[in-house]
Amino acid sequence: GAVVSQHPSWVICKSGTSVKIECRSLDFQATTMFWYRQFPKQSLMLMATSNEGSKATYEQGVEKDKFLINHASLTLSTLTVTSAHPEDSSFYICSARALTGGQPQHFGDGTRLSIL
Amino acid sequence: DAKTTQPTSMDCAEGRAANLPCNHSTISGNEYVYWYRQIHSQGPQYIIHGLKNNETNEMASLIITEDRKSSTLILPHATLRDTAVYYCIVQTGANNLFFGTGTRLTVIP
Repeated sequence: GAVVSQHPSWVICKSGTSVKIECRSLDFQATTMFWYRQFPKQSLMLMATSNEGSKATYEQGVEKDKFLINHASLTLSTLTVTSAHPEDSSFYICSARALTGGQPQHFGDGTRLSIL
Repeated sequence: DAKTTQPTSMDCAEGRAANLPCNHSTISGNEYVYWYRQIHSQGPQYIIHGLKNNETNEMASLIITEDRKSSTLILPHATLRDTAVYYCIVQTGANNLFFGTGTRLTVIP
């Protein structure tokens, strides 16, 4: 089945640090990848839609200058949390959808980010 | 995108079939029904999806009513590892997925 790899799985860093999270589709090409955030005991909330070769589309309330998204190839999208603060601590999850229409999204295992 | 309604929680005895209902009365003709589950501290796992016909794969069966206003996910022989939050999502294939609150399924030994 389709596999999406997300790295790292766990990050602990100091306030003010920038953190990069990678999302790779291992066995299929994805023109579109999605970035979600999940706070404890809450459901997933979409942050942005990442399209290969173009600018990401951010959901309302998500700061594009703080959460930088790059989708440089059909198999890789990155999310960089710039100057992270404790309130950015969360579970970040990416997903990717194959080029073929109607195919489901497949999710990475998530990155737990803890800012001290 | 159509909204879905699911029970907040369900219990199922280990080895028995788990039947998880979902109502999506406002579904439109080009919207698929997707089912995902999320085990604690992991990313959502795709289970199955369908448009009109019933579907079956190695994980589950999806039964969609003829009017497409509701569906049921069936795990034929639930195991303890099936304990998770199950999300029913109605969406066109092109859009992002909107996750509601889902059904927390607890499989009991």
